[in-house]
Amino acid sequence: DTAVSQTPKYLVTQMGNDKSIKCEQNLGHDTMYWYKQDSKKFLKIMFSYNNKELIINETVPNRFSPKSPDKAHLNLHINSLELGDSAVYFCASSRRDYRVDILGTEAFFGQGTRLTVV
Amino acid sequence: RKEVEQDPGPFNVPEGATVAFNCTYSNSASQSFFWYRQDCRKEPKLLMSVYSSGNEDGRFTAQLNRASQYISLLIRDSKLSDSATYLCVVNLADRGSTLGRLYFGRGTQLTVWP
Repeated sequence: DTAVSQTPKYLVTQMGNDKSIKCEQNLGHDTMYWYKQDSKKFLKIMFSYNNKELIINETVPNRFSPKSPDKAHLNLHINSLELGDSAVYFCASSRRDYRVDILGTEAFFGQGTRLTVV
Repeated sequence: RKEVEQDPGPFNVPEGATVAFNCTYSNSASQSFFWYRQDCRKEPKLLMSVYSSGNEDGRFTAQLNRASQYISLLIRDSKLSDSATYLCVVNLADRGSTLGRLYFGRGTQLTVWP
């Protein structure tokens, strides 16, 4: 009964390859995210989707392309992988916080995908 | 300048100690505040929300000072199981929008020793 699940957990691949990470949430949340955590442990948002619509697209190389087939799924496809893409990628989801009328609070994270590009 | 600044530590304390972490945020329009906990090689998990003047949950007390743009987390009677990285998080909506986003600090590492 995992709330936010992402696959694979580990991904080792060569430079130049294309890979995808999948994420699913069963919490009924409307908003889903991709975060990247680098080697210095800094967690930074990459993308956010609300009800399948892209609402946040940070300065991320266009080799990264998110896709949300429905509000419970958010996948991340990465083209032409580079060494610097090595990191842990976390999927997350959140609900609307009516106390402050702000979308996207109290995020629940998946277990992360540890991507190593060699 | 980063949205959220934290002392990275590490903090090494004995069991039973009281330890406090601080965090500052740069944008006064930030609307909600959280502490997350991240264990080694695990995902971040919500520890506590901080919505008004602060709140307490067992051994954990979070305080918010909007005037100083400062958030703190106090852990009393530290347990070995408290060893983790504690992430300060603020939620900030884009101007004129309800579309908020979470900004994470780099985290403060805590080790509790027996």
